[in-house]
Amino acid sequence: DADVTQTPRNRITKTGKRIMLECSQTKGHDRMYWYRQDPGLGLRLIYYSFDVKDINKGEISDGYSVSRQAQAKFSLSLESAIPNQTALYFCATSDSGGASYEQYFGPGTRLTVT
Amino acid sequence: AQTVTQSQPEMSVQEAETVTLSCTYDTSESDYYLFWYKQPPSRQMILVIRQEAYKQQNATENRFSVNFQKAAKSFSLKISDSQLGDAAMYFCAYRRRWDSGTYKYIFGTGTRLKVLA
Repeated sequence: DADVTQTPRNRITKTGKRIMLECSQTKGHDRMYWYRQDPGLGLRLIYYSFDVKDINKGEISDGYSVSRQAQAKFSLSLESAIPNQTALYFCATSDSGGASYEQYFGPGTRLTVT
Repeated sequence: AQTVTQSQPEMSVQEAETVTLSCTYDTSESDYYLFWYKQPPSRQMILVIRQEAYKQQNATENRFSVNFQKAAKSFSLKISDSQLGDAAMYFCAYRRRWDSGTYKYIFGTGTRLKVLA
């Protein structure tokens, strides 16, 4: 089974709808992240959380909110979706006490807002 | 602020040939990590190789190796004996080594690699 899972994998929604993207991990990592990927722009950070009680805005947090329900779960919400939020969304984890220092990514969610 | 630049949006290589993807970064830190991630059509982000800045020796993983030039702030990825499965988007990334409780990962904009049969 995958260590970092995201649901749904693909989603089409209409402008103005509220949508939630979910992320779960079994790696036991304390840190979780949400990124957005757009062509030519790479990965841009939306929100990150260093533990359940710690939530921080990234570089493009406007229009998004997050919830860290448990160490293993980190959800991203679009309160009122708009077409320019059409993108590929990734959840990632990392371990503050680990030796490898890299991030581990989920499979991504392709979101289309019409 | 740290930045990561990948100046080649797209590159092509003939199967079995060697290709080098470029990455430069800007930082005032002396201790950090650098990474190359691969994103194939499946969308999954896969770690290819990592380099610790305090190590002078260039990292190698099978057909993948890096040329780390710390003074020049350059971190290129060399893929030898290219295979069709190497076709993907490649991202360069930077991370400060020391944990100050702030976000540390910075990604480049990616290079799309095409492998020609």
